[in-house]
Amino acid sequence: DADVTQTPRNRITKTGKRIMLECSQTKGHDRMYWYRQDPGLGLRLIYYSFDVKDINKGEISDGYSVSRQAQAKFSLSLESAIPNQTALYFCATSESSTAFYGYTFGSGTRLTVV
Amino acid sequence: LAKTTQPISMDSYEGQEVNITCSHNNIATNDYITWYQQFPSQGPRFIIQGYKTKVTNEVASLFIPADRKSSTLSLPRVSLSDTAVYYCLVGPSGTDKLIFGTGTRLQVFP
Repeated sequence: DADVTQTPRNRITKTGKRIMLECSQTKGHDRMYWYRQDPGLGLRLIYYSFDVKDINKGEISDGYSVSRQAQAKFSLSLESAIPNQTALYFCATSESSTAFYGYTFGSGTRLTVV
Repeated sequence: LAKTTQPISMDSYEGQEVNITCSHNNIATNDYITWYQQFPSQGPRFIIQGYKTKVTNEVASLFIPADRKSSTLSLPRVSLSDTAVYYCLVGPSGTDKLIFGTGTRLQVFP
């Protein structure tokens, strides 16, 4: 099994619908992150969490919300999806104050909003 | 975190050495230079990190000049499977989060 699992892998949804992307990890890491990637662009940070009681906004948090249900689970929600949220979404984990090499990424969720 | 500048894309042929240079003029004393690799439809993965001079592992080498204002990722004898996007990141060890630029898209041809 993968260290960082994202579900679903692919999703098509309609404008205005609420959708949740889920991430679970078996790394035992404290920190979890959600990134978004648009075609031809790098990854942009949406939200991050350093522990179950800590949630922080990233570069592009508008239109998104998150929930850290447990150390191992971090969900990203789009309350009312819009077409420009069509993108590839990645979850990542890291240990507390880890060096740059300590980040583990999931395989991504490809979301299409029509 | 220090801003980085990389070429948008590079092309190469199998068996050639590829060098990707990253500029980071505002690098701070406690900043490290780290490279990640991302294959299509996969999350990025760490490939190499350095602070100064040269670092080599089984995947790549990283060359950092004395002034540390730039760095060069060297991939020896690339193969088709090295086709990916390569990201240069600069920041202190123990950083709170990774901030990615647009990276360098390397295309390897047969």
